[in-house]
Amino acid sequence: DQQVKQNSPSLSVQEGRISILNCDYTNSMFDYFLWYKKYPAEGPTFLISISSIKDKNEDGRFTVFLNKSAKHLSLHIVPSQPGDSAVYFCAASARSGNTPLVFGKGTRLSVIA
Amino acid sequence: GAVVSQHPSWVICKSGTSVKIECRSLDFQATTMFWYRQFPKQSLMLMATSNEGSKATYEQGVEKDKFLINHASLTLSTLTVTSAHPEDSSFYICSARGPRTGSDSPLHFGNGTRLTVT
Repeated sequence: DQQVKQNSPSLSVQEGRISILNCDYTNSMFDYFLWYKKYPAEGPTFLISISSIKDKNEDGRFTVFLNKSAKHLSLHIVPSQPGDSAVYFCAASARSGNTPLVFGKGTRLSVIA
Repeated sequence: GAVVSQHPSWVICKSGTSVKIECRSLDFQATTMFWYRQFPKQSLMLMATSNEGSKATYEQGVEKDKFLINHASLTLSTLTVTSAHPEDSSFYICSARGPRTGSDSPLHFGNGTRLTVT
C-alpha cells in the first residue's frame, strides 16, 4: 500500500510556462514533506520542504503548496527551464525522531525549449 | 552544504561474489544513515536504517544476512551485498540527515551505486 503517491509518471511543459507536479499521501501522521530532484545515475538532490504548520513555502522559482485536509501537496516551478528536466520525487515523514522518508514513485518532467 | 559521498558509483561483479558500498558524510557527523534501493521507474525503497555503534534496522522483506550493514564511525556506513545474484542488480543509494538536528533536517543523498551482477 503506497503511502505517498505521484499519479503522473511524466509531464511535458514548454519552457517559460509553469510546471505543476502533484503528490498525494494517505498517512495522517505525516507532517513534513519534501521534494527531491533526480538526474539519471545520480542521487536525489533536496529541492524544497514544507512542514504541516504551513500551507505554502517558496524558494525562488519553486513553490510547494500543502493542503492537509485533502492530503495533497504540489510543487510549482515557474518559469520552467530546460535544466529543470529531471525526475521529481515527493517524500514525507512523521516528526517523531530520526525517521526515514517515504517516497513516491516520481514524476519525470520534460521542459521543452 | 552537507555532502554525502558514495563509492563506488558503479560496479559489475560475478554471481556469487560480494560487493561493498561505502557511504561517507563529508562535513558532518551522521549517527544515522539510511540505505535505499531503486529499481527502474520505481520509487526509492528503504532497505535499512544504519545506526552508529549498533545493529542496523532492516525493513520487512530485506535479508539482513544478505545485505550486511556496518556503521563503525559517525561518518561512515557500509553496505555489503553478499553472494550477489543477478536479481540484486539495482541502484543503491545511501543518505544521511544533515547537520541540523531533528527530523526537520532534510536527507542528503549520495550519488548512488549502480550494481550489475552477471
